[in-house]
Amino acid sequence: KAGVTQTPRYLIKTRGQQVTLSCSPISGHRSVSWYQQTPGQGLQFLFEYFSETQRNKGNFPGRFSGRQFSNSRSEMNVSTLELGDSALYLCASSPGQGIIGNTIYFGEGSWLTVV
Amino acid sequence: AQRVTQPEKLLSVFKGAPVELKCNYSYSGSPELFWYVQYSRQRLQLLLRHISRESIKGFTADLNKGETSFHLKKPFAQEEDSAMYYCALSGPGGYQKVTFGIGTKLQVIP
Repeated sequence: KAGVTQTPRYLIKTRGQQVTLSCSPISGHRSVSWYQQTPGQGLQFLFEYFSETQRNKGNFPGRFSGRQFSNSRSEMNVSTLELGDSALYLCASSPGQGIIGNTIYFGEGSWLTVV
Repeated sequence: AQRVTQPEKLLSVFKGAPVELKCNYSYSGSPELFWYVQYSRQRLQLLLRHISRESIKGFTADLNKGETSFHLKKPFAQEEDSAMYYCALSGPGGYQKVTFGIGTKLQVIP
């Protein structure tokens, strides 16, 4: 089975711009979640989608948004980028249900640098 | 609110010494607990989960509901165990938000 795939892997944006990151989950996984990873804050939960519906949301401003498509692929968008948004953005997928429903599998991440 | 605390940012041990990575949690109910590991230049990956009661790469973790802890242990550390370790928690059942601790860097000294 192919793992979680994220694109792009690296990108540099200017403050004020917006960015869209893409994630393809493991085949058969219906839940996709996004995390921001920084050295100071560790892994912070952004949001989680299941069957195109946002199920859970973390404590991030409205500039951070996401969506999930019918094929379970997901995108997250950050508008009006700030320097503090520089981070590794991780996508993870999980079956979403069943006894191992919450076991998540991570992608390699998208490194975002805001200058 | 669910919270995971990993009190040590860095833990250094000598090869062959026992390892214990601490994890305490806050959750009202019966949580699911996990340990994830990130080796250098690799993606974050599941190490073990408490519901499976498994031992992976010599690591074990026991859920102590009284102390709300899920410490990760290994009797004899190996150099290849050097990595970042994250404790994580979710509610039972599906569709749950998974909360991570800030992580502990384990450094095994040869």
